[in-house]
Amino acid sequence: AQRVTQPEKLLSVFKGAPVELKCNYSYSGSPELFWYVQYSRQRLQLLLRHISRESIKGFTADLNKGETSFHLKKPFAQEEDSAMYYCALSRQTGANNLFFGTGTRLTVIP
Amino acid sequence: KAGVTQTPRYLIKTRGQQVTLSCSPISGHRSVSWYQQTPGQGLQFLFEYFSETQRNKGNFPGRFSGRQFSNSRSEMNVSTLELGDSALYLCASSPSGGRALDTEAFFGQGTRLTVV
Repeated sequence: AQRVTQPEKLLSVFKGAPVELKCNYSYSGSPELFWYVQYSRQRLQLLLRHISRESIKGFTADLNKGETSFHLKKPFAQEEDSAMYYCALSRQTGANNLFFGTGTRLTVIP
Repeated sequence: KAGVTQTPRYLIKTRGQQVTLSCSPISGHRSVSWYQQTPGQGLQFLFEYFSETQRNKGNFPGRFSGRQFSNSRSEMNVSTLELGDSALYLCASSPSGGRALDTEAFFGQGTRLTVV
């Protein structure tokens, strides 16, 4: 079975401060890991995926297989980063089946 | 490009009834997945359909079923509704051609189901 854990339900940081949203996973195979974000009154949307190794809106996430973690980081938080962030795992390459963590609500204080 | 469309947006049903929710994916997307979102359990994967076949299934009872049509549109059915089925049901479509970069799920706005 697979499991995604996001230990923080709520996270508040000041504008310009670094942000780290934690995500740990358990799965016996080789999963794909994602971060999805939901801004106020918008749809859930993909922020980034580990396989792309890209930086989106200043966010990065590194897959650490040893620690089974996929933490999301940004060096300088902006007010527009305030949103709900979900870490998700897919068991199959190229398949549309996601197992989500419970989410972290990030608030960036001006 | 039109996004994922779910209908209806809101539903109120009585316990014991059944309900059918509809999802129209983005044009060209062959995979449609369904998720249940509740305050207590968060986002939970129900099932995925690809080319009219159920490809993956989550851990939900048989009262939850789905299907996909040849135009990739999908429906989800819940029979014998229980109070605990009250939730936001999200649909997501994806190209899912088997390549890793195909694995981006595009979500609809959801159908809010209330069982009374």
